[in-house]
Amino acid sequence: GQNIDQPTEMTATEGAIVQINCTYQTSGFNGLFWYQQHAGEAPTFLSYNVLDGLEEKGRFSSFLSRSKGYSYLLLKELQMKDSASYLCASASSNDYKLSFGAGTTVTVRA
Amino acid sequence: DTGVSQDPRHKITKRGQNVTFRCDPISEHNRLYWYRQTLGQGPEFLTYFQNEAQLEKSRLLSDRFSAERPKGSFSTLEIQRTEQGDSAMYLCASSPLLPTYGYTFGSGTRLTVV
Repeated sequence: GQNIDQPTEMTATEGAIVQINCTYQTSGFNGLFWYQQHAGEAPTFLSYNVLDGLEEKGRFSSFLSRSKGYSYLLLKELQMKDSASYLCASASSNDYKLSFGAGTTVTVRA
Repeated sequence: DTGVSQDPRHKITKRGQNVTFRCDPISEHNRLYWYRQTLGQGPEFLTYFQNEAQLEKSRLLSDRFSAERPKGSFSTLEIQRTEQGDSAMYLCASSPLLPTYGYTFGSGTRLTVV
């Protein structure tokens, strides 16, 4: 496995910023994915980082440091609909098979 | 294309019975994956196919589980002699060979073994 580690829960206020950290095992690594999953629904793709640095997509940004085995997902201007589980997943180098972390449940409060 | 379809959405079965789930991937996608997810956990890899070839099966997967993708299109996942511990959401996903936009997941089949 890829030993994915991310916090279990985070709570933030509407309009605020939240950063979800993820660490992973660096051996056999071929990129880091972030998914959003609302309760009872399928995971949906948010971002893919394979090179070091920050990728910005609207209110969501994702960062990767390959040497440190570290990534984060930054959610800005939080909205109530952002309340969901956020899954960090690393891709293996030979076949892009994804290994998922347990997910971080983000609760946005008014 | 309407995305990845899974059938049924829900299945309740008695312990010891066999169940079969179906997944129809996005037609252009070569790869098809099966994952299992329990409450509060991330998806756990079960197996995957490239076209009709099953390339990997999780070491954690019991011999009671089998999957097929006979013509490289739809796939089936069968669980024989179900146990209560098999209760979970079974997710199917598909992707092209280079999944730079990630996998596309289906809505899943929720299995309850009573």
